[in-house]
Formats: sequence, structure tokens, C-alpha cells
Amino acid sequence: GAVVSQHPSWVICKSGTSVKIECRSLDFQATTMFWYRQFPKQSLMLMATSNEGSKATYEQGVEKDKFLINHASLTLSTLTVTSAHPEDSSFYICSARVIRGVDETQYFGPGTRLLVL
Amino acid sequence: AQKITQTQPGMFVQEKEAVTLDCTYDTSDPSYGLFWYKQPSSGEMIFLIYQGSYDQQNATEGRYSLNFQKARKSANLVISASQLGDSAMYFCAMKEGYNQGGKLIFGQGTELSVKP
Repeated sequence: GAVVSQHPSWVICKSGTSVKIECRSLDFQATTMFWYRQFPKQSLMLMATSNEGSKATYEQGVEKDKFLINHASLTLSTLTVTSAHPEDSSFYICSARVIRGVDETQYFGPGTRLLVL
Repeated sequence: AQKITQTQPGMFVQEKEAVTLDCTYDTSDPSYGLFWYKQPSSGEMIFLIYQGSYDQQNATEGRYSLNFQKARKSANLVISASQLGDSAMYFCAMKEGYNQGGKLIFGQGTELSVKP
């Protein structure tokens, strides 16, 4: 399968600071990547769709100015949590869309655990 | 209405036995895809198996098979010969439409525990 990396794997920061999370497709190009958020013992919640070279599409209820997404190249998408607060503490996970003919799959990164103090 | 429903919050299975994890879905789109992912305690999401709505045969990948019953709108995951390493959360997911941006809708998950 395709390999997706995420960096950092975990981060602790002070309230009010910004945190950048990188998502990279290592052995393929991804025009579309997705960012999810997951709380303990819950399912994944899609935050936004990141398209290379264009603005991200955010899901309803997700603050665009708080969660900045940039997809500057075919192998890299970044999520910046601006002015982080304790309620932003969560597990953030990205995925990359792979299309093969009429089939497609999403391959996920290992996730980033964010703790805001 | 829930588009993906996993009714089993937790399941136990004896090592080496088979187990079925339930998943039902709801869509009016004739073109869709169904996925199963495994999430161990480390958090990574591991792709297991995929079934397209037009696929005639049930998908299989090693010890994983997908029992696809289109009329009943169910896509149950069958794990044969369970291993201790199979203990994890399992998520069923659906993608609607061939070119709807590829967004996945996830179920609530089933926590599988394999007993030695």
C-alpha cells in the first residue's frame, strides 16, 4: 500500500501558540488529502479536504481561520492549529486519496497527538 | 440519519476462531465504495479491505473477507483464524459517488478483543 507520514507524532504546547502538522505522501503523489480529528474512543471526524494548488474545503462547523490548511505540493499538506487552546487537544490524522482506475482508497498517516496546556 | 452503522461497540473472540464485525450503510447513490480500517492502540489507521458497489464478488484480502449483501445494505467484515494482534478498533467507512471528492463517512467503530 501507499505510505503516508505525519510529523510530529505528538506535540505539547502552551495555550495561545500555533502548531503546524505535516502530512506527506512518501511514494506517490496525492492531489487530494484529508484531515481528520479524533477524540478518545470516538470515530474520525472529517475536518477538511485539502486539494493541491487550491483552497481547502472545510466541513460544517470547522473554523477556517483556526485550522489553516495548505497543500503546496503533490506530496505535502500542512495543518496549522492557530492560537491553540486546551479544547483543541486531540488526535489529528491525515489521509491521502489514491485512485486506481475506478477504485480509490485512502491511506492514512500515523496521526499526531496534540496536547495544549 | 446515520449513513454508516456499527452496532457492536465491543466484541470478544477466542484466538484462532473467526469473528464477524457488522456494518450497515444507507445511501441512495448507486455508485459507492465500502472500506474497513483497523486502528490499533497506536492510533494509525490501517486499510484492510475495499468493496465497490458494482463488484460482483465479495472482496477478500488474506484473513479478511467482506460479506457484501447489497439488498440488505450490509458490509460485514469477517476475520478468520483470529490472532492476538487483531485486537484493535475496527471502522467501517463509505464513499459515495464516483467523483464526489472522495470523502469517507465513518461508523462509530467496534473494539475487538482477542482472548488467548
